[in-house]
Amino acid sequence: DIQLTQSPSFLSASVGDRVSITCRASQDIRSYLGWYQQKPGEAPKLLIYAASTLQTDVPSRFSGGGSGTEFTLTISSLQPEDFATYYCQQLNSYPLTFGGGTKVEIK
Amino acid sequence: QMQLQESGPGLLKPSETLSLTCSVSGGSINSIIYYWGWIRQSPGKGLEWIGSVFHDRSTYDNPSLKSRVSLSIDTVGNQFSLRLSSVSAPDTAIYYCARHSLFHNYFDFWGQGIPVAVSS
Repeated sequence: DIQLTQSPSFLSASVGDRVSITCRASQDIRSYLGWYQQKPGEAPKLLIYAASTLQTDVPSRFSGGGSGTEFTLTISSLQPEDFATYYCQQLNSYPLTFGGGTKVEIK
Repeated sequence: QMQLQESGPGLLKPSETLSLTCSVSGGSINSIIYYWGWIRQSPGKGLEWIGSVFHDRSTYDNPSLKSRVSLSIDTVGNQFSLRLSSVSAPDTAIYYCARHSLFHNYFDFWGQGIPVAVSS
């Protein structure tokens, strides 16, 4: 199975900050990576797929990059509604796997 | 807008079989470009993909569940189902159903999730 390691596990930031989250894969997954946002009590929401393609209606302050084994999710200017937990998912092969999550909290 | 809704029991005893159904509205489950999947989330193991089923009843499932998973689809009733046999405490989780893109392997529409506890 492909393992995904996210860092940091926890991030404290202020409104307006630029934040980046890293996801490392245990083997080459080309650009087959997605990112999700999850708020307490809700299901995950797809933000990005194919490493950098923004899902419909996702704000442009979210961006994704990387390929191979290292990927990043960047929020250019953190908004109050962005405080949540973020997960990466490899889309390359079965079994599909997720990273352990990064919780973004208000400083 | 597509909506998915899980239903099933919230409490099981060890060794019982979990049966969940996902009802889909706002679109047809009889699609050639989407699978229909199950994902669970527990504090100990995070998000875990369980398996996905296609309209032709073909399936993919996670080998980590050691063949305890059975997936089915009802294209007439626009719903799909999960059966997980021989449950034990580690199967305690929130279970989500979701639409699974055939080409990109992402999950773009999710149900709200149903909490399932396994306890004697």
